[in-house]
Amino acid sequence: DAGITQSPRHKVTETGTPVTLRCHQTENHRYMYWYRQDPGHGLRLIHYSYGVKDTDKGEVSDGYSVSRSKTEDFLLTLESATSSQTSVYFCAIRLRGATYNEQFFGPGTRLTVL
Amino acid sequence: GENVEQHPSTLSVQEGDSAVIKCTYSDSASNYFPWYKQELGKRPQLIIDIRSNVGEKKDQRIAVTLNKTAKHFSLHITETQPEDSAVYFCAAPDPYNQGGKLIFGQGTELSVKP
Repeated sequence: DAGITQSPRHKVTETGTPVTLRCHQTENHRYMYWYRQDPGHGLRLIHYSYGVKDTDKGEVSDGYSVSRSKTEDFLLTLESATSSQTSVYFCAIRLRGATYNEQFFGPGTRLTVL
Repeated sequence: GENVEQHPSTLSVQEGDSAVIKCTYSDSASNYFPWYKQELGKRPQLIIDIRSNVGEKKDQRIAVTLNKTAKHFSLHITETQPEDSAVYFCAAPDPYNQGGKLIFGQGTELSVKP
C-alpha cells in the first residue's frame, strides 16, 4: 500500500462548514496527489504536490485548497463545503525514483455534505 | 493537454470468456499507460502497465496492447473469473507536466457471471 493512510475514512458534514482531509505517507515520496471519484467521471485530479510547499492545481481545483508543510503530510481543505463536493477522495503518491508516472492510492475518504 | 476515452462503460461476460477494454489517448508524446482495478469499496490498484517502447505485455491472464499509430491501448483478460468483477480504469500521463500527472479514463464496470 506504499505506506499511505488517509484520515478520516468517513465524514458527514453540513453545507458551509470547513473540512480538512489528511493524507499521510511514511516512505518519503516527493509527489502526492488528491483525486475525487464520482460515478461516471472516473478519477479527477484536484491538486498535487511536487515537494514541501510546492503545489499546483489539477482539473477540478475550484473550492479546494491544499498544503504541504512536511514531506509526509498533504492536506486537502474545503473552505466552505457544498453538496457538490460529496464524493470519495483518494490520495495518491508517485513512487520515489520512478521513471514513469506509477501512482499508488490511499484507502480513500468518503465525504458526505448535507 | 491529454484526453483519455475509455470504452465500454459496462461489460458483462460469462465466466471463462475473455474481456477487452479499450482506451484512446490524444497526445502522441504520452509514453506510459497503466491499468487500475478497483473492487467495490476499495482503492484503485495498479494491475499492469505498458511503456511506449513495447507493443504488448502479459502477466498471467491479463495483457495490455498498445498501438501508438492509432493512439489506443487495450486491456485483455482471458479465462475470466468472478473475482475479476470490478471497475477498471486506464490512464495516460500529461507528457508536458513535470508533476507526474495521470489523466484517467471514465472507467469500465466488468461483471463476470458464474
